[in-house]
Amino acid sequence: GAVVSQHPSWVICKSGTSVKIECRSLDFQATTMFWYRQFPKQSLMLMATSNEGSKATYEQGVEKDKFLINHASLTLSTLTVTSAHPEDSSFYICSASSPNTGELFFGEGSRLTVL
Amino acid sequence: AQSVTQLDSQVPVFEEAPVELRCNYSSSVSVYLFWYVQYPNQGLQLLLKYLSGSTLVKGINGFEAEFNKSQTSFHLRKPSVHISDTAEYFCAVLNYQGAQKLVFGQGTRLTINP
Repeated sequence: GAVVSQHPSWVICKSGTSVKIECRSLDFQATTMFWYRQFPKQSLMLMATSNEGSKATYEQGVEKDKFLINHASLTLSTLTVTSAHPEDSSFYICSASSPNTGELFFGEGSRLTVL
Repeated sequence: AQSVTQLDSQVPVFEEAPVELRCNYSSSVSVYLFWYVQYPNQGLQLLLKYLSGSTLVKGINGFEAEFNKSQTSFHLRKPSVHISDTAEYFCAVLNYQGAQKLVFGQGTRLTINP
C-alpha cells in the first residue's frame, strides 16, 4: 500500500530553537497533507491542512506563526516548530491523501521533546 | 460538525477471549467511518473502513465492525484476541462533502492479558 514517511522519528532540542519535521509520500503525489498532534494517552488533534502550492489551513487555536507548514512539492510537506518550548513536546503525525482512492495514509510519527 | 465518542478508555481482556470496542458518532451529514490501530510510538494503521454498501465490514488482523445508522454506532469486534492486539484503537469519521478532515475519537486502550 501507499507509504508516508516522517523524519526524524524523534528529536530532542533546547528551548528556543526551531525544529523541522518532514512528511513524504513515497509512492504517490499528495496535493493535500494533514498534520496532527497527539499528547500522551490522548487522541490525535488536527493542527492544519497542508495544501501544495498554497498556504496551509490552520485549525482554530493553532498558532500559524508557531507551527510553520510548507508544502513545496507534491511529495513533501514540512512542519517547523519555531522557538520551541517544553509545552510543544508532543507526538506529531502527518497523513497524506491518495489521489486515486482518497484513503488517508499516516506517517510513523515524530516525537519532539523540548528541554 | 462531526464528533466521535469512544465509550471505553481502557479495555482489558484475556487472550483468546472476544472483544468489542464501542464507537458512537454524531453528524448532520453522511460520513465515512474508520478504525485505526496505533502501536506504541508509531503512526496509525488502518484496520477497516465503512464507505457504503454492506454494514458489516471486515478488516485486517481478524477485526470487523458493523455500521448501525439508527444507533449512530460503529463498534469494532474480534472473536478471539491475541497478545499482539495490545494497542490503542481509534475510531474516526470523515465528511467527504467538505474539507477532508478526519475527526478522531478519544481512543481505547486494549490490553490483552495471558
